[in-house]
Amino acid sequence: EAGVTQFPSHSVIEKGQTVTLRCDPISGHDNLYWYRRVMGKEIKFLLHFVKESKQDESGMPNNRFLAERTGGTYSTLKVQPAELEDSGVYFCASSLAGTGNTEAFFGQGTRLTVV
Amino acid sequence: LAKTTQPISMDSYEGQEVNITCSHNNIATNDYITWYQQFPSQGPRFIIQGYKTKVTNEVASLFIPADRKSSTLSLPRVSLSDTAVYYCLAVFSGGYNKLIFGAGTRLAVHP
Repeated sequence: EAGVTQFPSHSVIEKGQTVTLRCDPISGHDNLYWYRRVMGKEIKFLLHFVKESKQDESGMPNNRFLAERTGGTYSTLKVQPAELEDSGVYFCASSLAGTGNTEAFFGQGTRLTVV
Repeated sequence: LAKTTQPISMDSYEGQEVNITCSHNNIATNDYITWYQQFPSQGPRFIIQGYKTKVTNEVASLFIPADRKSSTLSLPRVSLSDTAVYYCLAVFSGGYNKLIFGAGTRLAVHP
């Protein structure tokens, strides 16, 4: 069974450009999460989808970040316009439906570098 | 959400047992202790989870005393491939996996 996949694995863009990250969760997982780690800091929660609905977006840094999950399958995270401080590794994770202590499965991450 | 505290780094040699202790003095009744492992250039990977006493799986054991203010992840007979960052988290059982990561413990296994 395929795990959580993220695309691209690396992206280098100039300040002011737009970048879209994609995450394909494990099939059947209703919960989808975005996290990121900026250089030298801890992994931080960004937002959480339950199917296509945003359950919690309290971690989104500002309105330059837009996450979508149309149809409740894959998700995209768009950064527009990108700033230098957006550089970091963006992780996506998914888990089964419902609440509780269910295991979260992470993708390998997208390394974003803004120059 | 309960804050967890764990060593910044540890060193070990192949074949040894490694114990990583995590403090969570303010853990809530509905929180589970969960450990994740992260290799370089990969996302975190779930290792083990427990509420109280001892839990064992094919990868590790987790010891949680009765007061639940701390827990110990035990890795038996580590190998070089166990070199990774290990995160201890308190996960609310009544919510979703909004995981709060700390700095983790960087384990280095030497030959």
